[in-house]
Amino acid sequence: NAGVMQNPRHLVRRRGQEARLRCSPMKGHSHVYWYRQLPEEGLKFMVYLQKENIIDESGMPKERFSAEFPKEGPSILRIQQVVRGDSAAYFCASSGGTGVTNYGYTFGSGTRLTVV
Amino acid sequence: AQSVTQLDSHVSVSEGTPVLLRCNYSSSYSPSLFWYVQHPNKGLQLLLKYTSAATLVKGINGFEAEFKKSETSFHLTKPSAHMSDAAEYFCVVRGGGNKLTFGTGTQLKVEL
Repeated sequence: NAGVMQNPRHLVRRRGQEARLRCSPMKGHSHVYWYRQLPEEGLKFMVYLQKENIIDESGMPKERFSAEFPKEGPSILRIQQVVRGDSAAYFCASSGGTGVTNYGYTFGSGTRLTVV
Repeated sequence: AQSVTQLDSHVSVSEGTPVLLRCNYSSSYSPSLFWYVQHPNKGLQLLLKYTSAATLVKGINGFEAEFKKSETSFHLTKPSAHMSDAAEYFCVVRGGGNKLTFGTGTQLKVEL
């Protein structure tokens, strides 16, 4: 069981470019969550997805950010026209159901985005 | 709304001495609480979780935490620190819609 796989581990983008972050959940998990960690801060919830559905995107910035979790393939967090303030570590977690206290979350190792 | 407050941003202990990382929570109903550890440039690892069963929760690597409703606290302890415990620790509460709310973290330093 490979756990939650995120790639790339490190991503450098120039201002104005697009960043695509990928997350493959644990085998058998159908719920994916994205969190952002700014320097010297805790993680902040961004979005919760199930296959082909966005369940809760209350933590997503209103512009330039989008997320998807297609029927096949990994979940993608997409940031268009990146700015320096987007530099952060982005973590993905997955769970097997809605009862997370039983199923639990498993976190990936994160993607560290640097905007230059 | 649920929230957690980690009372110390940095804690420094000597190897072999006890560790205490403090966390207070706020929740409108019986909370689910977690402690996670993050080593430098690594992902998050679950240390332990409280889900309204026993109030004293034992986790991995010798850590434990006690849920105290009267004090709205969920402090993390370990009897004897090891150098490998140096990391950042997050107290986390589960809110509605399966969202986790993280504290701001406590950086634990272990000195020889």
